[in-house]
Formats: sequence, C-alpha cells, structure tokens
Amino acid sequence: DTGVSQNPRHKITKRGQNVTFRCDPISEHNRLYWYRQTLGQGPEFLTYFQNEAQLEKSRLLSDRFSAERPKGSFSTLEIQRTEQGDSAMYLCASSWGTGTSSGNTIYFGEGSWLTVV
Amino acid sequence: KQEVTQIPAALSVPEGENLVLNCSFTDSAIYNLQWFRQDPGKGLTSLLLIQSSQREQTSGRLNASLDKSSGRSTLYIAASQPGDSATYLCAVYDTGKLIFGQGTTLQVKP
Repeated sequence: DTGVSQNPRHKITKRGQNVTFRCDPISEHNRLYWYRQTLGQGPEFLTYFQNEAQLEKSRLLSDRFSAERPKGSFSTLEIQRTEQGDSAMYLCASSWGTGTSSGNTIYFGEGSWLTVV
Repeated sequence: KQEVTQIPAALSVPEGENLVLNCSFTDSAIYNLQWFRQDPGKGLTSLLLIQSSQREQTSGRLNASLDKSSGRSTLYIAASQPGDSATYLCAVYDTGKLIFGQGTTLQVKP
C-alpha cells in the first residue's frame, strides 16, 4: 500500500494554458475526492467519485474544471484557460464507502501545487 | 449548510505543555469527524477518526472527543514536543464529503 499518489507535485503555467493533475488512490478504495486549498485556509471540496461515477460537484467547480475517473481507478483533474485565481494546492483523497455515509478514514495525498503566472 | 470553525487560529506553547484545540460545527447530523495534521507545503495526515456514535478516540499522546449535541470536538495533546508543530485541521463527514475548518497552527517552542 503506497498511499494516495499525486502528479505532478508542482506546476507553473502561464495564464490561459490548460493543466492536468493525476491522482492514483489507494488500490482497494472505491471513493476518490478532489479538494482545493489556498494559503491559510482549510481544504475546500471540489468533487468526488464512487467508482467511475461522479456523485457530487461543488459550485466552486466552474465550467473550466473537469474531473474524470475512467474505470474507477486513477482520476484526472483538468483546468482549462487557467486564471491567476486558480493558484492553489489541489489535494486528492480516497476511502472505502457506500451510500451517503462512511465510517472509514479518508486518506490524502501530498497535493499538487499550481502557480498561474 | 454545515460550517466548521476552529479556535484559536494560532497557538504557541512551551515544550511539555498539555494543550487543547477546539472545533465546532453547526449541524449535528454528522457521520463522523476526523482530525488531521498538515505540515507546511504538505498534504494531510489523518490523526484520529471519531464515529458519530463514539465520544472519544485516543492515539498515543492524542485524545479527541466528540459531543454531537453541542456541535463540538476537542483535540487534546499531552506533553507537547517541538515535532508537534504543524497545522491541525478538523473535518466533519457530511453526506459524501468532508467539510473542513480553517485549522489551528501550533508552534511548540523548545
């Protein structure tokens, strides 16, 4: 068990470019979450998947953001036409759960830092 | 809408002190509550998970309590050490996702 893995760890991009982050969850986990965190703030929920189904999306996830989890394994988060306000750490997490409840610990990756210049 | 608040925002203590971090939430209909630790520039490390039916959990020098009726949780750290310096986040599990507080940044001075 290698934990939740995120790539790349750091990305610097010019405004207007597209970026994609990848998350590999803990292998037996069926749930995968994306969060965004800015300096001095707690993580904010973006979206989550159960297997390959995207079950909830935050209003924070504008039309420029899209997340996928093909085959219920790894996930990608793409940001199109990046803006300076997108600069943040993007955190991925995974857990095992069913229904709307979960009694299980949610494990986070090390995060992917995005800087838009 | 569930809101989570952590007080204080920052705390500085001398090594060896026992300390309490506070977390409050507005909607008591939670499934569980997790406490995390975050070092600067790093991801989150899970410390303790308390189910909604439990009142407390312990791990080493850490003890977390949960009072759903009052919407409060506390994280007690015994005999603090400089290595405990980090930001501590609490999060409630609310229909499919964790909702976080803003964290308490702890500095333990040698």
